[in-house]
Amino acid sequence: EAQVTQNPRYLITVTGKKLTVTCSQNMNHEYMSWYRQDPGLGLRQIYYSMNVEVTDKGDVPEGYKVSRKEKRNFPLILESPSPNQTSLYFCASSTEQGQVGGANVLTFGAGSRLTVL
Amino acid sequence: AQSVAQPEDQVNVAEGNPLTVKCTYSVSGNPYLFWYVQYPNRGLQFLLKYITGDNLVKGSYGFEAEFNKSQTSFHLKKPSALVSDSALYFCAVRDRNSGYALNFGKGTSLLVTP
Repeated sequence: EAQVTQNPRYLITVTGKKLTVTCSQNMNHEYMSWYRQDPGLGLRQIYYSMNVEVTDKGDVPEGYKVSRKEKRNFPLILESPSPNQTSLYFCASSTEQGQVGGANVLTFGAGSRLTVL
Repeated sequence: AQSVAQPEDQVNVAEGNPLTVKCTYSVSGNPYLFWYVQYPNRGLQFLLKYITGDNLVKGSYGFEAEFNKSQTSFHLKKPSALVSDSALYFCAVRDRNSGYALNFGKGTSLLVTP
């Protein structure tokens, strides 16, 4: 089944304790992206990756890191989590998202709910 | 800069009645427009998109949306609502000339009552 898999789905942690949310897709998609969803704010893009070893900041990158060493994986790293990073996180992927593929549809993971105390 | 607005936080409709979820957008060029739906405890799922051509776009689960360039709107519609349509709906826009960013609206919660 074509899918985007995120882990963990739920996590409660404490301020400053590094954590990684993994994201993996099995569709050979070039483009991957991380979003956070907060009430009243909708989805905001954190980072995206056009392909392996190519990453760029979205609208709210502060406090996050990403890497794209393999095409299928795009982990989100919180080096020193803070309570304002408590949120619902979504990973998404699609085929090429450049000028030609700008209308390509995103496939989303099921979400990872993170609480930072 | 591009942006999208969903003016209603919640829309309530009775089962069997038509529903409309509103979306307006702002782009400097021509837009790609999307609707996604989020069911509880699930990720977003694609419903439909507008690229070019016919202003009325038909999508999954009987939904459709009308692109109106003069009003910069892309309202989501369904002729007869089902209780199972209750979910959170997101409109999204990308300016096809300005790069890779896809901007989402804040979402509209649709509640269909029996």
